[in-house]
Amino acid sequence: QVQLQESGPGLVRPSQTLSLTCTVSGGSISSGGYYWSWIRQHPGKGLEWIGNMYYSGSTYYNPSLKGRVTISVDTSKNQFSLKLSSVTAADSAVYYCARREAPGGWFDPWGQGTLVTVSS
Amino acid sequence: QSVLTQPPSVSAAPGQKVTISCSGSSSNIGNNYVSWYQQLPGTAPRLLIYDNNERPSGIPDRFSGSKSGTSATLAITGLQTGDEADYYCGTWDSSLSAVVFGGGTKLTVL
Repeated sequence: QVQLQESGPGLVRPSQTLSLTCTVSGGSISSGGYYWSWIRQHPGKGLEWIGNMYYSGSTYYNPSLKGRVTISVDTSKNQFSLKLSSVTAADSAVYYCARREAPGGWFDPWGQGTLVTVSS
Repeated sequence: QSVLTQPPSVSAAPGQKVTISCSGSSSNIGNNYVSWYQQLPGTAPRLLIYDNNERPSGIPDRFSGSKSGTSATLAITGLQTGDEADYYCGTWDSSLSAVVFGGGTKLTVL
């Protein structure tokens, strides 16, 4: 079955760019029918959708993140990535990658999550 | 403040039934499918219900979902201690052009 695994730095300096990668195994990102997504969870808080991308390149971002987000796909590596610019302590969270059914919209499966702390 | 409103906590005894509500509006629940997720302590969320009331393979039929108007409900019967977790509802919001989640409900099995 499809599995997702996040990777990237656990510590990012304020004002820098947070960069994470999600590696997909057990299935192809290019197979279609799914959006490849990022979701985050602040410590002790609920879930916040960051955005998602279709393998063809179309992207959808949470307007609340005000243009700081970029999601890209590397079909040759079966990976997709998240870049979040100008980070502050408020961006410290556990970041999850997930596959989102198109067009139904549910998320399944999820990666195990990776904690990113923004601190100097 | 979450767009979808869930009770912060619910509790019930083992073997009993509990329901968790998720309230929204016409721009989200009222016109889009709802999904539910279970997050056990220290783990990633897991899909429980999709398309309002469908269960993925492997999810016991003790878990069920329903939707009426601008509200959705997750029901869990035959409660087990292993069901203690946080539960989240989610859907698309057409006005915000964003996926939105409820604030989460902590289930305690007494």
